[in-house]
Amino acid sequence: AQKITQTQPGMFVQEKEAVTLDCTYDTSDPSYGLFWYKQPSSGEMIFLIYQGSYDQQNATEGRYSLNFQKARKSANLVISASQLGDSAMYFCAMRERDFNKFYFGSGTKLNVKP
Amino acid sequence: ETGVTQTPRHLVMGMTNKKSLKCEQHLGHNAMYWYKQSAKKPLELMFVYSLEERVENNSVPSRFSPECPNSSHLFLHLHTLQPEDSALYLCASSQDDRGSAGELFFGEGSRLTVL
Repeated sequence: AQKITQTQPGMFVQEKEAVTLDCTYDTSDPSYGLFWYKQPSSGEMIFLIYQGSYDQQNATEGRYSLNFQKARKSANLVISASQLGDSAMYFCAMRERDFNKFYFGSGTKLNVKP
Repeated sequence: ETGVTQTPRHLVMGMTNKKSLKCEQHLGHNAMYWYKQSAKKPLELMFVYSLEERVENNSVPSRFSPECPNSSHLFLHLHTLQPEDSALYLCASSQDDRGSAGELFFGEGSRLTVL
């Protein structure tokens, strides 16, 4: 079974609107971390936000928030007030208790329209 | 300086060439990684070094040979590659201890084309 599933290969959003990128995960470890990365066309992977499995509150970082639903094993990324510079690939990732196990999803390509 | 630096950014090589990719991290991290990113495929973990010892090798062909001389430097030596090895090779580092989230910090990647 896939560890990280991103079911949206591509998404469009109007500038200044909010968008949700979906991510579900699969693990039997009680301790794990969830991450979102942004990859612009330049290639660099940019860390956006982190959610620990024991964190009670949803993580937020500026315009990024992570909608963490532990029972459903989902960790959706919400980008508020989209900007043209948000157009990129977005990857959801998970790290299990064994720090060497770091899994990535297949990514979602977000296009922000002016 | 950026946290993780990769050189070269672009590399074109023939199947009989020998070349190396270099990665340097300035973050004081204790683990370094090589990932391969091909078109329309998830990131593939190739090698993990923790405290300069290789702890993960996901059945990567022997034509890829990693080297980690110290905690700040990581190399990927390439020889007799195949055209299907053309991809973006990403280096990353992290601080692997229970007190940190352990997020990966990536370099900008080395775009490899094998002719």
